[in-house]
Amino acid sequence: AQSVTQLGSHVSVSEGALVLLRCNYSSSVPPYLFWYVQYPNQGLQLLLKYTSAATLVKGINGFEAEFKKSETSFHLTKPSAHMSDAAEYFCAVSDPGNQFYFGTGTSLTVIP
Amino acid sequence: DVKVTQSSRYLVKRTGEKVFLECVQDMDHENMFWYRQDPGLGLRLIYFSYDVKMKEKGDIPEGYSVSREKKERFSLILESASTNQTSMYLCASRQLAGNNEQFFGPGTRLTVL
Repeated sequence: AQSVTQLGSHVSVSEGALVLLRCNYSSSVPPYLFWYVQYPNQGLQLLLKYTSAATLVKGINGFEAEFKKSETSFHLTKPSAHMSDAAEYFCAVSDPGNQFYFGTGTSLTVIP
Repeated sequence: DVKVTQSSRYLVKRTGEKVFLECVQDMDHENMFWYRQDPGLGLRLIYFSYDVKMKEKGDIPEGYSVSREKKERFSLILESASTNQTSMYLCASRQLAGNNEQFFGPGTRLTVL
């Protein structure tokens, strides 16, 4: 079975600073990778997904993520944090057997 | 746009009651899922369904059952609600293929008193 590890359950950044949220997965074959965002009292919304095309994937709201096979990582970044980015972020993996696995989430706080 | 709707945003029930949570998707997706979300524990899969009348246990099925009589509807049933089932419940659907994402409903926050 796959596993997804999100390092840091809570991350705080200043407004305008770089956002870096980490995600590592365990897989012997290239998986499909996803980042979701969840605003308070809402469902999850897809930010971006990697499906074996370009390794650098651009998503909504200025976020992007880079697939690094050698590091089994799919970290999420945004060059400049905005107050509206404060939310919970989830990394997820889908394996060839169509099973879906979520990380435990990272809560992002943006400090004015 | 894919839309996943859940019957209630907030629900308050009493211990021992039978509780039905309904989820409907409008994009003819084969797969549907029920998760619960608790602080510090992320999303935990309760049940999922690959297609109509099919169901599979997830990681935490105890105390829950599901029904999928029609492709668009996936119901979660708490046979006898308990206080430890107070949680946020999220429904999702997905077109069958490894590279397809799950689409989520807005969630139901259930409180069992």
